[in-house]
Amino acid sequence: DTGVSQDPRHKITKRGQNVTFRCDPISEHNRLYWYRQTLGQGPEFLTYFQNEAQLEKSRLLSDRFSAERPKGSFSTLEIQRTEQGDSAMYLCASSLTSNYGYTFGSGTRLTVV
Amino acid sequence: RKEVEQDPGPFNVPEGATVAFNCTYSNSASQSFFWYRQDCRKEPKLLMSVYSSGNEDGRFTAQLNRASQYISLLIRDSKLSDSATYLCVVNSLSGNTGKLIFGQGTTLQVKP
Repeated sequence: DTGVSQDPRHKITKRGQNVTFRCDPISEHNRLYWYRQTLGQGPEFLTYFQNEAQLEKSRLLSDRFSAERPKGSFSTLEIQRTEQGDSAMYLCASSLTSNYGYTFGSGTRLTVV
Repeated sequence: RKEVEQDPGPFNVPEGATVAFNCTYSNSASQSFFWYRQDCRKEPKLLMSVYSSGNEDGRFTAQLNRASQYISLLIRDSKLSDSATYLCVVNSLSGNTGKLIFGQGTTLQVKP
């Protein structure tokens, strides 16, 4: 499979716990993006990597959120001390450039109870 | 004001109907435009890019009006399988990353 992979597909966690999601982009794509989507809304930009460098973070990304892409390949998104408002679909996407659109992974659906 | 605005619908149309969705964007410097399709509880998938001259892909036609900062998607001869949410997408030049900004999405329900 040469698409974007995300793991896990679903995560249920108790408020206050930490969670980590993984994204494996398409291998030749150097750009990797994280988005968050809630019901009835379009995906909202969270952060962007070009290779291993994190070049932009949205103001939506509070101090509880951190993302890494240590070797310029896979990426992780960690949420510390989860809150109910963090419940959403977390989408990862990769691309060669933004001019040709992105390919999204299937997403990780987070439910904080 | 949102950077990309769409009428969320829903649009309920019978099979075979022609339906049009519109979208406006606020950044006049945007260079790339797309329509994505998203099925319920699935990831968005690229439907088509939108070019200044307008472009067509089978039953789907996309138009761009840069002067009005307006994008449209026309679906002819609607099929049941066209039922989905259609996301208008524009590249954002803020932060110098060229990231894509998504509208809220317009929901289409095609009925038999």
